[in-house]
Amino acid sequence: QSALTQPASVSGSPGQSITISCTGTSSDVGTYNLVSWYQHHPGKAPKLIIFEGSQRPSGISDRFSGSKSGNTASLTISGLRAEDEADYYCCSYAGISTWVFGGGTKLTIL
Amino acid sequence: QVQLQESGPGLVKPSETLALTCTVSGASVRIPTYHWGWIRQPPGKGLEWIGCMYDSGTTTQNSSLKSRVTISVDTSKNQFSLRLTSVTAADTAVYYCARLSWGDSNAFDMWGQGTMVTVSS
Repeated sequence: QSALTQPASVSGSPGQSITISCTGTSSDVGTYNLVSWYQHHPGKAPKLIIFEGSQRPSGISDRFSGSKSGNTASLTISGLRAEDEADYYCCSYAGISTWVFGGGTKLTIL
Repeated sequence: QVQLQESGPGLVKPSETLALTCTVSGASVRIPTYHWGWIRQPPGKGLEWIGCMYDSGTTTQNSSLKSRVTISVDTSKNQFSLRLTSVTAADTAVYYCARLSWGDSNAFDMWGQGTMVTVSS
């Protein structure tokens, strides 16, 4: 199981939009519609913000959206706010009851 | 309100066994649509899936851990546990327990705060 590939860092100014990519393979992202995204503020518990590629849990702002094309999933955050500064991780089901995470992307609000 | 809390030694010697427990409150570990997993984050690195235990009793683990992982559930205490044998410095990490909500979000929807484990003599 190789980690999904994410950019190490992205940045944006308040109010702008950013997109974080998550590239896997035909054995995980490309086959299963079970990509989830997590927001992680250091020292706190990771928080689920997108599941099944594009679904938001109750209570998650609609500023967060997800999509998938082929072996690549994407997370878009619109209307950036200071509190969005965090690490973001994608995760995909990889078959046979196994899972794989991405390497994480640090979002910096300029 | 569902809460998960990891507990266990913060320091483990090389070649020994790392043992952590996750206590679940606000939800039962018996519910068949909930499964239970462990994820870790080595210093300066990303999250790494360690393994999961499913309601059927089946456990799966990251193949990179070479069968060193055991995950078990204690329904009487509403807890689940991780054992990682033959640890090395590479196993130093923050360890998180998490709930995998299968059939609902099909994702890790609840997480503990994490516990730091250092492997050192």
